[in-house]
Amino acid sequence: AQSVSQHNHHVILSEAASLELGCNYSYGGTVNLFWYVQYPGQHLQLLLKYFSGDPLVKGIKGFEAEFIKSKFSFNLRKPSVQWSDTAEYFCAVNAGGGADGLTFGKGTHLIIQP
Amino acid sequence: KAGVTQTPRYLIKTRGQQVTLSCSPISGHRSVSWYQQTPGQGLQFLFEYFSETQRNKGNFPGRFSGRQFSNSRSEMNVSTLELGDSALYLCASSHTTGRGYGYTFGSGTRLTVV
Repeated sequence: AQSVSQHNHHVILSEAASLELGCNYSYGGTVNLFWYVQYPGQHLQLLLKYFSGDPLVKGIKGFEAEFIKSKFSFNLRKPSVQWSDTAEYFCAVNAGGGADGLTFGKGTHLIIQP
Repeated sequence: KAGVTQTPRYLIKTRGQQVTLSCSPISGHRSVSWYQQTPGQGLQFLFEYFSETQRNKGNFPGRFSGRQFSNSRSEMNVSTLELGDSALYLCASSHTTGRGYGYTFGSGTRLTVV
């Protein structure tokens, strides 16, 4: 079964700083990769997803992620964060055949200080 | 269009009781999956239904069960509740199954077992 590791559980940044959240997965086959965000008091929202093709994926709100197959990684980036980016971020993996639903990482709690 | 609707939003049950949670997917979505979210274990996959058939099941005891109706609405049931079942239960819907196409999550049902 696949597993997902998010290296940073808590990240604190100042506004305008650059952001990179790490995500590594363990699964040898074809994978579909996702980043979800959960703003305080709100439901999970899809930021971006990768199925195939260009490994650099652009999502909503200026976020992007790069799939590096050799490193089993799918790191999330944003060049300049805003206070409104304060939220919990989850990386998720789905095996290519769709088995076992989505496997989520433990999440990264991001706090942006004004 | 309307999002994924979960009812009720909050529920308090006593240990040993059973509970049924409901999920109405986005119109046209035929796949419904359920997840349990707790502070300790994070987001864990429970099961997925497509066209009234359970396609996949996570590593949860048999006390957790579900079903899907012909209109794609889904229910999950937990029997003989334990204190550890206290969690946020999330439902997600998708057009199809198998490749994790753009799962959209509901706001969840927060279950407290006392």
